[in-house]
Amino acid sequence: QKEVEQNSGPLSVPEGAIASLNCTYSDRGSQSFFWYRQYSGKSPELIMSIYSNGDKEDGRFTAQLNKASQYVSLLIRDSQPSDSATYLCAVSLPGGYNKLIFGAGTRLAVHP
Amino acid sequence: DVKVTQSSRYLVKRTGEKVFLECVQDMDHENMFWYRQDPGLGLRLIYFSYDVKMKEKGDIPEGYSVSREKKERFSLILESASTNQTSMYLCASQTSGHEAFFGQGTRLTVV
Repeated sequence: QKEVEQNSGPLSVPEGAIASLNCTYSDRGSQSFFWYRQYSGKSPELIMSIYSNGDKEDGRFTAQLNKASQYVSLLIRDSQPSDSATYLCAVSLPGGYNKLIFGAGTRLAVHP
Repeated sequence: DVKVTQSSRYLVKRTGEKVFLECVQDMDHENMFWYRQDPGLGLRLIYFSYDVKMKEKGDIPEGYSVSREKKERFSLILESASTNQTSMYLCASQTSGHEAFFGQGTRLTVV
């Protein structure tokens, strides 16, 4: 079983809609969770961090964490064509070294 | 702002060459990582370092080694480059809150 799983997509949404991206993880002891955005040919860019159950909002982005279900999601409100990118979920594994493991990413396409 | 700098953006090397990829961070972070990214496979961890001269193997260390002689610099070494090591290589530096910041990436082609 992969440690961090995401649907590869593409997820296609119209401009102005809400995009919902999902991620599940296997290690129940994980404590830190991240969403990265990666444009084609570029390196990943951190957009959200979440550490506690519930929602965390930052502008048009909301991260949601449910540790009991081992589930992390990212909502993008009022989606724009510039949001078209691959979104990577990352989980910091428990233990001494905080090793960061990534999902394979979900490709989001926002069409006008 | 955290700055992570990789020495090369694009690199072309011949099979069998020894290849050095350099990464420097300016935030005094203890943890640094090397990943490779291939289409459909996501980011795979090659090695990470949690302090000077300390290192741990990641998921795909075969064919690679690393060096961390100073806290700000983490080097990835391909001992004898092979065509299956053609990939995008990404270095990251990690804060105490476990957030990782990436360099611009090195696209390595081995011919």
